[in-house]
Amino acid sequence: TAGITQAPTSQILAAGRSMTLRCTQDMRHNAMYWYRQDLGLGLRLIHYSNTAGTTGKGEVPDGYSVSRANTDDFPLTLASAVPSQTSVYFCASSDRDRDTEAFFGQGTRLTVV
Amino acid sequence: EDKVVQSPLSLVVHEGDTVTLNCSYEVTNFRSLLWYKQEKKAPTFLFMLTSSGIEKKSGRLSSILDKKELFSILNITATQTGDSAVYLCALYSGAGSYQLTFGKGTKLSVIP
Repeated sequence: TAGITQAPTSQILAAGRSMTLRCTQDMRHNAMYWYRQDLGLGLRLIHYSNTAGTTGKGEVPDGYSVSRANTDDFPLTLASAVPSQTSVYFCASSDRDRDTEAFFGQGTRLTVV
Repeated sequence: EDKVVQSPLSLVVHEGDTVTLNCSYEVTNFRSLLWYKQEKKAPTFLFMLTSSGIEKKSGRLSSILDKKELFSILNITATQTGDSAVYLCALYSGAGSYQLTFGKGTKLSVIP
């Protein structure tokens, strides 16, 4: 089934450790996004990519990095996790040329202890 | 910086009531406004409103966009308990950098 896949679905991570959240889509969408969702704060944009090879910072980029080596994959890396990065992370993609809606992955629940 | 403000933040209604959810925005380069419904997991798409499509309807849900006053509303008539969810308003913007900015959402609770 076409769509967008995130892995893992949940993770407990020790503070100070690094981790990469994976996101893959098979819709050939050029735009991809990473959000974090926290109670009362809604979905906040961390990083985005308009096309393979380019990335941009969103509202809350500190402590996170991304890469977009190809169209399908958009991994999010936490270099040294802190408890404030405990959140639910959503990856999304869209076709900016056709102005489609954004399609979301099922999310990754990350707990940093 | 683009901004999306939703109101109210939460709302409790009885089944059968009609509700109106509000979304106001500030944007430099408007492309489109979207509404999503979020229950347990990922947001699911409801409507996209653009300059050429300022009114959408699907069953009991409808939405309008006022580009002059910079707001949108989402109406739900004859509410059901299955409408209980967080409703998210989002904005596509940008000429060069293409971003999707969300509001904080409105949590709707429909009680029998």
